[in-house]
Amino acid sequence: DIVMTQSPDSLAVSLGERATINCKSSQSVLYSSNNRTYLAWYQQKPGQPPNLLIYWASTRESTRESGVPDRFSGSGSGTDFTLTISSLQAEDVAVYYCQQYYSTPYTFGQGTKLEIK
Amino acid sequence: QVQLVQSGAEVRKPGASVKVSCKASGYTLTTYHIHWVRQAPGQGLEWMGVINPSGGSTTYAQKFQGRVTMTRDTSTSTIYMELTSLRSQDTAVYYCARDLGGNWFDLWGQGTLVTVSS
Repeated sequence: DIVMTQSPDSLAVSLGERATINCKSSQSVLYSSNNRTYLAWYQQKPGQPPNLLIYWASTRESTRESGVPDRFSGSGSGTDFTLTISSLQAEDVAVYYCQQYYSTPYTFGQGTKLEIK
Repeated sequence: QVQLVQSGAEVRKPGASVKVSCKASGYTLTTYHIHWVRQAPGQGLEWMGVINPSGGSTTYAQKFQGRVTMTRDTSTSTIYMELTSLRSQDTAVYYCARDLGGNWFDLWGQGTLVTVSS
């Protein structure tokens, strides 16, 4: 199984400042035949199901009526990935998870809890 | 409105089984695969398996092989997940989630809490 490890486990950032969450996979999730990276990011607020933010490591979800704000961005390739919130808003307080969908069983990171400083 | 609506909370004794439903509305169920993901209290997310509602084929995580069965009823646009031989470690919120074709999950049900306790 591919193990996904996030860092840090928790993070406190001031409103308007940048938040950075890291995710590392135990093996590459880059599929060489199509050059696609099989990595997604989700946001989960208390008492709610996860909400898709990013897929293909850097594509912002936009199929729903309320698209993901452009302050959220994803980057990285191979085994190291980053979710960045460029200017933290109060509504961004949540737990964030990365997920690999390169191979089954699809696996998630342990989560990073983001709070306001 | 496009949504997945799950059945209500369940309480079971160890050794029993539970069957959770997930009803799709606002789109054609057979168009997209449905996955099941669970989350133990205060813990992270764990993928259980996937069903293709069109033909009914399934893929289960090895951890749940032999204990989980995912089925569908296309006449009611409903997916079912049955978990048998329940133990206390199976206490969790169980989510169904839609897969648009890439194995990421764009639409989630509201979750069903299954509590296993003697």
